[in-house]
Amino acid sequence: ETGVTQSPTHLIKTRGQQVTLRCSSQSGHNTVSWYQQALGQGPQFIFQYYREEENGRGNFPPRFSGLQFPNYSSELNVNALELDDSALYLCASSREGGLLPDTQYFGPGTRLTVL
Amino acid sequence: KQEVTQIPAALSVPEGENLVLNCSFTDSAIYNLQWFRQDPGKGLTSLLLIQSSQREQTSGRLNASLDKSSGRSTLYIAASQPGDSATYLCAPTGFQKLVFGTGTRLLVSP
Repeated sequence: ETGVTQSPTHLIKTRGQQVTLRCSSQSGHNTVSWYQQALGQGPQFIFQYYREEENGRGNFPPRFSGLQFPNYSSELNVNALELDDSALYLCASSREGGLLPDTQYFGPGTRLTVL
Repeated sequence: KQEVTQIPAALSVPEGENLVLNCSFTDSAIYNLQWFRQDPGKGLTSLLLIQSSQREQTSGRLNASLDKSSGRSTLYIAASQPGDSATYLCAPTGFQKLVFGTGTRLLVSP
């Protein structure tokens, strides 16, 4: 069973640029959630995609957007990058649709640095 | 709004000690609670998941308890080893999302 993978591992961008991060969900999982983790903090929920539709969003501005594809992989796009966007971006996949939320399995993350 | 607090923020112990990490949360309307381990600069590894109807869950040297009504969970690590050194995060699950504390940074010395 293949785990959750993310690409790229590291990324350096400058203020104002746009970035796309990618996530491949674990086999059999239909849901991807994205989290932002600033240095020294716990992860913060950005949004969740379930069967290609956004299924909940945290307190992040619209310049954070996403997609989920028919194979359940996902992208996180951030426009007009700001210095505070520098963080570890984590994606997690799970198999939802049952009565209770399923365990979320996390990928290794993408470290984004904005200069 | 769910708020999660973890105490202590950091812990340094000699190898072999038993230890307890504490997690408290403000909203008891949760589906489950997960404990994770995070090594520096890495992703999260799920350690234990306790459903809201359960009181306890065990995996090897790890035991987690949940008291949903009082908004508390504890992670007990028996016979700690240097390989246990990491940050431990708890995350109660509400609708759709996990809410994380800032974690307990554990250092186990040989």
